[in-house]
Amino acid sequence: GQSLEQPSEVTAVEGAIVQINCTYQTSGFYGLSWYQQHDGGAPTFLSYNALDGLEETGRFSSFLSRSDSYGYLLLQELQMKDSASYFCAARGSTLGRLYFGRGTQLTVWP
Amino acid sequence: NAGVTQTPKFQVLKTGQSMTLQCAQDMNHNSMYWYRQDPGMGLRLIYYSASEGTTDKGEVPNGYNVSRLNKREFSLRLESAAPSQTSVYFCASSSNANTGELFFGEGSRLTVL
Repeated sequence: GQSLEQPSEVTAVEGAIVQINCTYQTSGFYGLSWYQQHDGGAPTFLSYNALDGLEETGRFSSFLSRSDSYGYLLLQELQMKDSASYFCAARGSTLGRLYFGRGTQLTVWP
Repeated sequence: NAGVTQTPKFQVLKTGQSMTLQCAQDMNHNSMYWYRQDPGMGLRLIYYSASEGTTDKGEVPNGYNVSRLNKREFSLRLESAAPSQTSVYFCASSSNANTGELFFGEGSRLTVL
């Protein structure tokens, strides 16, 4: 089976840095994705790590350690508009098939 | 540039009724997916289609059927709706490239009474 664990809630203030962790257990593993979802909206893709290490995309960075079955999403210079749910998703043995975690609700306070 | 389009956006059914959720993508993607999202449960894969003419079960396929009509369209059918199928349904597509990136539709909000 597939299992992804991430915190249910995280809070931070504007301008701060927050890290959302994700641990996974999957029968096959090709990489870890991160998605953002605002209330009532569709999930949107943020990043994908197929290899160990850090990937940076603007204010967002994502990290993967295959040996630890662990990854995280790092959000810097937080803005109010970053308040949303964030999902990690593991790419399993079938090409493109993604298994999602339950999501982390990020609240950014002024 | 429409991306992934789902219809209907909202639907209310009575227990036992049937309905089909439609999904179409205009990005020439090979793979398409149907997910359901319930509060606190994240997104769970119902069915997916790796390419035209193929479909496979995901994590929660019971009570659903799918049809990959052509490369663009992937429909989800509820033959006899149950209250447990009240959910938000998302269709998604991907190019099969090694990016882990899915493109999602705006969702279909289904209530079964």
